[in-house]
Amino acid sequence: DQQVKQNSPSLSVQEGRISILNCDYTNSMFDYFLWYKKYPAEGPTFLISISSIKDKNEDGRFTVFLNKSAKHLSLHIVPSQPGDSAVYFCAARDTGSARQLTFGSGTQLTVLP
Amino acid sequence: ETGVTQSPTHLIKTRGQQVTLRCSSQSGHNTVSWYQQALGQGPQFIFQYYREEENGRGNFPPRFSGLQFPNYSSELNVNALELDDSALYLCASSLKREVGTQYFGPGTRLLVL
Repeated sequence: DQQVKQNSPSLSVQEGRISILNCDYTNSMFDYFLWYKKYPAEGPTFLISISSIKDKNEDGRFTVFLNKSAKHLSLHIVPSQPGDSAVYFCAARDTGSARQLTFGSGTQLTVLP
Repeated sequence: ETGVTQSPTHLIKTRGQQVTLRCSSQSGHNTVSWYQQALGQGPQFIFQYYREEENGRGNFPPRFSGLQFPNYSSELNVNALELDDSALYLCASSLKREVGTQYFGPGTRLLVL
């Protein structure tokens, strides 16, 4: 039973346009949501996060939106750049002792020049 | 300040064998988490160590075990390897008081034949 789902395995966007990556979750006990970016042969790199008490967090070109009623979050990248091409994972943190992260299966973003 | 390092980068084992993977945490980090990432999937939480004690465990059998040392380096041991154990193994270090931000190593690619 996947608690965090990324239903789009891939997304292609033209350079300069907006990239929107989506993520759905089922567990209401998650209290923090994060996005990681992963290049080949590297580990995931933290990108941006949002607390469950907020609905938006912005950091430069990256904005994460959280819709708690729909159990949905999205990552917006504006403007998209070729260097943004990578696999993007959303992750949710639970409230247990380990604060463990549950990851989605990832979305491969390709930004075309 | 050095990042998270893992060794070896690649490993081939046969079914039934045992393997030890190593991780060196980012300087000053007292918490390490291990993840298994199967092909086409997101990282899946195996367990977490904080101050040399297991602090949480995912849905993995006891043949997956770990150690954390006083210098915060750690090991993941897998006994009685199965074909399905073939995956990328990632470790991530963090400060326990930090909210969800974990710094990942590049991973060890394990192939079980």
